[in-house]
Amino acid sequence: SQQGEEDPQALSIQEGENATMNCSYKTSINNLQWYRQNSGRGLVHLILIRSNEREKHSGRLRVTLDTSKKSSSLLITASRAADTASYFCATGVYGSARQLTFGSGTQLTVLP
Amino acid sequence: DVKVTQSSRYLVKRTGEKVFLECVQDMDHENMFWYRQDPGLGLRLIYFSYDVKMKEKGDIPEGYSVSREKKERFSLILESASTNQTSMYLCASSRRVGDSPLHFGNGTRLTVT
Repeated sequence: SQQGEEDPQALSIQEGENATMNCSYKTSINNLQWYRQNSGRGLVHLILIRSNEREKHSGRLRVTLDTSKKSSSLLITASRAADTASYFCATGVYGSARQLTFGSGTQLTVLP
Repeated sequence: DVKVTQSSRYLVKRTGEKVFLECVQDMDHENMFWYRQDPGLGLRLIYFSYDVKMKEKGDIPEGYSVSREKKERFSLILESASTNQTSMYLCASSRRVGDSPLHFGNGTRLTVT
């Protein structure tokens, strides 16, 4: 069953602009993860944020988590054409053998 | 870096054939997973395994089975392939259950005709 739902479904920006993607979920979680998928390839893990964290950075990526609103956002600063990909959020519950449940993704296109 | 290798990138099979998708990981992870990915539906969990010879059904196990005889290898089996099993299949592994990153293979795009 899908829990994380990304918004928007598609986003098109110019190189150098910032890209923001949002994720909403329904039930309590232990952590939320963001993944990236280039066309026709597997997913690559970007960042994991735990439920007791509010913000996390990794290079040009900034992730926030608001457990009261059951939402997260992924910000990519100074985007590049190589950032063009689909981005997925996934919610996890510690000890749950069903692991992560993924949303349908945001397709980001960065125009040169 | 963890490497998860799926044996085929593209596969074309006929309806009714038995299909084997192989996945190998090199990081001694206990947990391994098979997902399928379809446009508009995201990733859906088919089966997972948290130990050798252990398996658990995911959200859409019908028409599939799995095998985990060795820790590093997790196989997905389509007993009798059907056209509605045409999809991208993704294998993944992880160190802990529920709160560690998944490491994915590059996927197998299966077409059943």
